[in-house]
Amino acid sequence: ETGVTQTPRHLVMGMTNKKSLKCEQHLGHNAMYWYKQSAKKPLELMFVYSLEERVENNSVPSRFSPECPNSSHLFLHLHTLQPEDSALYLCASSPHSGSGNTGELFFGEGSRLTVL
Amino acid sequence: RKEVEQDPGPFNVPEGATVAFNCTYSNSASQSFFWYRQDCRKEPKLLMSVYSSGNEDGRFTAQLNRASQYISLLIRDSKLSDSATYLCVVNQRTGRRALTFGSGTRLQVQP
Repeated sequence: ETGVTQTPRHLVMGMTNKKSLKCEQHLGHNAMYWYKQSAKKPLELMFVYSLEERVENNSVPSRFSPECPNSSHLFLHLHTLQPEDSALYLCASSPHSGSGNTGELFFGEGSRLTVL
Repeated sequence: RKEVEQDPGPFNVPEGATVAFNCTYSNSASQSFFWYRQDCRKEPKLLMSVYSSGNEDGRFTAQLNRASQYISLLIRDSKLSDSATYLCVVNQRTGRRALTFGSGTRLQVQP
């Protein structure tokens, strides 16, 4: 049973749709992350939130918009996506980020997104 | 050059075999290192940390060579359940707030 839950598990959307991915962690962690995993490519860090403040954005296109209302919840708002955005989107949490990061990330099962 | 580089495999080995994976990293300032395991259509999970002196956890041995900037994972007496993708992960710490992942090496253990 994972301490990080993601919904929906699968999502199919058109390029003009607006949808959101949701992540919730029940571990009392202080940092949450969105990663993108495409076939045969390494996990790409999209966003990091630490203590409810966004601390990193790796030049992710503006069609992806994160929201972190509190330390337990993280959203990824999607709008006007492109077919190349189809991927597995993984949420993760850790006790700390940055120099306090011990290296253990706890991942959710992911949301598999298909953009038509 | 990729920040973390791994041979994608697949490595096809019979049960009971010993198999080793290597990983190289580009940032000499990297501070800590890990191996994660990802089963097919599942999320990654931490397998073990990698310490400078090398460390062992049952059938798994991890080693770090800072001079050559590579990390290795050795699996002895392979089991069918070891079939998965093994991700090399680096924490660069300075200037970065999160872990950097390799693309992974796929292992298939065959009966």
